[in-house]
Amino acid sequence: GAVVSQHPSWVICKSGTSVKIECRSLDFQATTMFWYRQFPKQSLMLMATSNEGSKATYEQGVEKDKFLINHASLTLSTLTVTSAHPEDSSFYICSARDLLSSGPTYEQYFGPGTRLTVT
Amino acid sequence: DAKTTQPPSMDCAEGRAANLPCNHSTISGNEYVYWYRQIHSQGPQYIIHGLKNNETNEMASLIITEDRKSSTLILPHATLRDTAVYYCIVRAFVNFNKFYFGSGTKLNVKP
Repeated sequence: GAVVSQHPSWVICKSGTSVKIECRSLDFQATTMFWYRQFPKQSLMLMATSNEGSKATYEQGVEKDKFLINHASLTLSTLTVTSAHPEDSSFYICSARDLLSSGPTYEQYFGPGTRLTVT
Repeated sequence: DAKTTQPPSMDCAEGRAANLPCNHSTISGNEYVYWYRQIHSQGPQYIIHGLKNNETNEMASLIITEDRKSSTLILPHATLRDTAVYYCIVRAFVNFNKFYFGSGTKLNVKP
């Protein structure tokens, strides 16, 4: 199946700094990517939809100025957590849809996740 | 998208079939049932999906009731590596539609 990678796999940053997480589709093109956040022992929460060449759309309650999303190419989306605080510590996961798949049966391919710890 | 209800946890003996239920009583005619699983600290992995017919692939079988209000994911011969959280997701047929994850079922496969 298709592969989605994330970098870094884990990161520790100091409170007040910004951190960027990359999501890449390795063997397919993705016009749409999705970003999720997962706190310990909880389910995945959809944060935003990243659209290549246009602005991301955010789910209700997600601060767009804090979680900056850029989808500059068909294989790369980035999530930047700005002015990070300890409560932003979480597991961030991206997913991508294959551009060439269509209709209702397409799958979403998930990345391995990035563990962010803000100290 | 329709809401799903799953038991929080289940146990299964290694080598036996694992049957994971999902209730989606408010499902609409254009909504598909998807199953994903998440092994600890990894990204979710696609398992199977279906609309109204039963489906089978190399990983699992999906049984959807005739009224489509519930479904069961069957892992025919569970192994220890199948220990994971299993998510049942209902999603409408709209391009670029999103996945909303419920709380899932933690399957514990025991030796």
